[in-house]
Amino acid sequence: GAGVSQTPSNKVTEKGKYVELRCDPISGHTALYWYRQSLGQGPEFLIYFQGTGAADDSGLPNDRFFAVRPEGSVSTLKIQRTERGDSAVYLCASSLTKSADTQYFGPGTRLTVL
Amino acid sequence: GQQLNQSPQSMFIQEGEDVSMNCTSSSIFNTWLWYKQDPGEGPVLLIALYKAGELTSNGRLTAQFGITRKDSFLNISASIPSDVGIYFCAGQKSGNTPLVFGKGTRLSVIA
Repeated sequence: GAGVSQTPSNKVTEKGKYVELRCDPISGHTALYWYRQSLGQGPEFLIYFQGTGAADDSGLPNDRFFAVRPEGSVSTLKIQRTERGDSAVYLCASSLTKSADTQYFGPGTRLTVL
Repeated sequence: GQQLNQSPQSMFIQEGEDVSMNCTSSSIFNTWLWYKQDPGEGPVLLIALYKAGELTSNGRLTAQFGITRKDSFLNISASIPSDVGIYFCAGQKSGNTPLVFGKGTRLSVIA
């Protein structure tokens, strides 16, 4: 079956612009996670959804970052007023029911803020 | 944010050699995981460890969950060229808490 997919694979934007990154989890997976991976670093947790609700958003760095999952499947990570420091690979993962289950990662979206 | 201490940062080895890398933390984790990431891809789970002292193998890979719950190691035996990539450890404190990752060990295999 299909794995986690993310679009776009690459996004280049200018400082101050708004961007949306999309994640399609594995069908039937109720838990969804967003991570950010800077160059030379491991992934860092941003937010975790259980169904439609954000169960843990403690990793969001500030209020410019927001994520939704309105129907409990596809999720969108939204970044307002982008800054150069937002440049990173944004990874999405899903797991069957809860975060203790194996998390399957997508290929990521590489965001570059000029 | 918090990251685990992973070493070595990078390794260059000859094909056929064994490899060992480890991960430490100042706090306890109840689950330890090892992932491999290839360029342009997301991390792929290699081994999951759920019990202190547990030793688990997956083919040529063996990982152990430290007794103190503050460390883990990963061994790769008889390395092959396709072992090239970045290996990440990750810890999880409980079933509904986020994964915390190390900075990775970049493995290069010389044929």
